[in-house]
Amino acid sequence: QVRLVQSGAEVKKPGASVKVSCLVSGYSLTELTMQWVRQAPGKGLEWMGNFDPEDGEPLYAPEFQGRVTMTEDTSTGTAYMELSSLRSDDTAVYYCATAIIVTGTAFDHWSQGALVTVSS
Amino acid sequence: QSVLTQPPSASGSPGQRVTISCSGSRSTIGSNTVNWYQHLPGTAPRLLIYTNDQRPSGVPNRFSGSRSGTSASLAISGLQSEDEAYYFCQSWDDSVNGPVFGGGTKVTVL
Repeated sequence: QVRLVQSGAEVKKPGASVKVSCLVSGYSLTELTMQWVRQAPGKGLEWMGNFDPEDGEPLYAPEFQGRVTMTEDTSTGTAYMELSSLRSDDTAVYYCATAIIVTGTAFDHWSQGALVTVSS
Repeated sequence: QSVLTQPPSASGSPGQRVTISCSGSRSTIGSNTVNWYQHLPGTAPRLLIYTNDQRPSGVPNRFSGSRSGTSASLAISGLQSEDEAYYFCQSWDDSVNGPVFGGGTKVTVL
């Protein structure tokens, strides 16, 4: 059974950085393109970017370019998303998601989400 | 404001049929397939429909999807109390080479 398990909730001050992890079990991280998505309170889902292991390069959504860094540690099967210069509107639940069985543009495996609260 | 537009809420009585719409543009739904998810707060979203109208293994056939032009819809027939959840659509945006999502629709079973 494939699982994506995230790190726990975090509370950060404005201007700080947060690093969220996503541990993949039951599948090889090297065969997955990991997406990062967030949902702020009362709002819809927002794509932040992805990390494609084939070329080892991340692709960031324009809104996060310059503030987000996505990396992977294939030895532990863990993907990471680090967001810097945090603002109050970065308060959100952050998810990692990927496609393993289905084809096309859908994501059939998601993490449970990690709440990041930005507050002074 | 989400790239794809969904109604914020929908409701129906047990056994009824509920339909949720998802509106996009030529660069999103007009050019790419649509996927639908069910989401309960605090849990991982669950894929219900992929590639417009395909159901993953384990998803009841009460759930169906369709796409036409720059819009798509999800239908839930034979509504059950366990269907009370948020539903959101997702497609792809060629301009950013990434997924885009709807704002989500809260389905209430009366």
